Amino acid sequence: EIVMTQSPATLSVSPGKRATLSCRASQSVSSNLAWYQQKPGQAPRLLIYGASTRATGIPARFSGSGSGTEFTLTISSLQSEDFAVYYCQEYNNWPRLTFGGGTKVEIK
Amino acid sequence: EVQLVESGGGLVQPGGSLRLSCAASGFTFSSYWMHWVRQAPGKGLVWVSRINSDGSSTYYADSVKGRFTISRDNANNTLYLQMNSLRADDTAVYYCARDRGFRGYFDYWGQGTLFTVSS
Repeated sequence: EIVMTQSPATLSVSPGKRATLSCRASQSVSSNLAWYQQKPGQAPRLLIYGASTRATGIPARFSGSGSGTEFTLTISSLQSEDFAVYYCQEYNNWPRLTFGGGTKVEIK
Repeated sequence: EVQLVESGGGLVQPGGSLRLSCAASGFTFSSYWMHWVRQAPGKGLVWVSRINSDGSSTYYADSVKGRFTISRDNANNTLYLQMNSLRADDTAVYYCARDRGFRGYFDYWGQGTLFTVSS
């Protein structure tokens, strides 16, 4: 069973600053990793798949990197609408799929 | 516009049963794998189950295997989750989600339906 660990649990960032979120897999997931954003009371939204490919309509300030067991989601300049919880999810261990525990990005 | 609309949530007693539905529109439902993902109150996302395009193949998380059954009606563009032997730890918002391309990640999600297992 793959375990996905996200850090930090909470990230306090000022608007306009950079946010860097980490996701670590307990074993290699190759590049089979997605990132989602979830705002309170809303469904998750796909941001990144294939570790680094932005989904349709996702602003360029969101970028993903990494492969194997270490992944990063970077938000280059935080906007007010970016304060949310972010989840990584591996899809290498098919058919089972595993999410990380989430990182909450809050206003500093 | 792709839309996924879940229904069927509510209050159920432990040991009871419930069926969730997810009505799909705006895309060719029969061409996509579909999933259920749940989120307990204040907690993270947990994958529950997957069904392939024609309903011939299904997979479940260990926590629900033998108790939950995923199915679909492609003629009516509807996904289902039959849940039996419900426990308190099944309490969650349940989302249906579309698989982007037989890969195991989700490009569209419903708004979710909440059900609570409690006596």
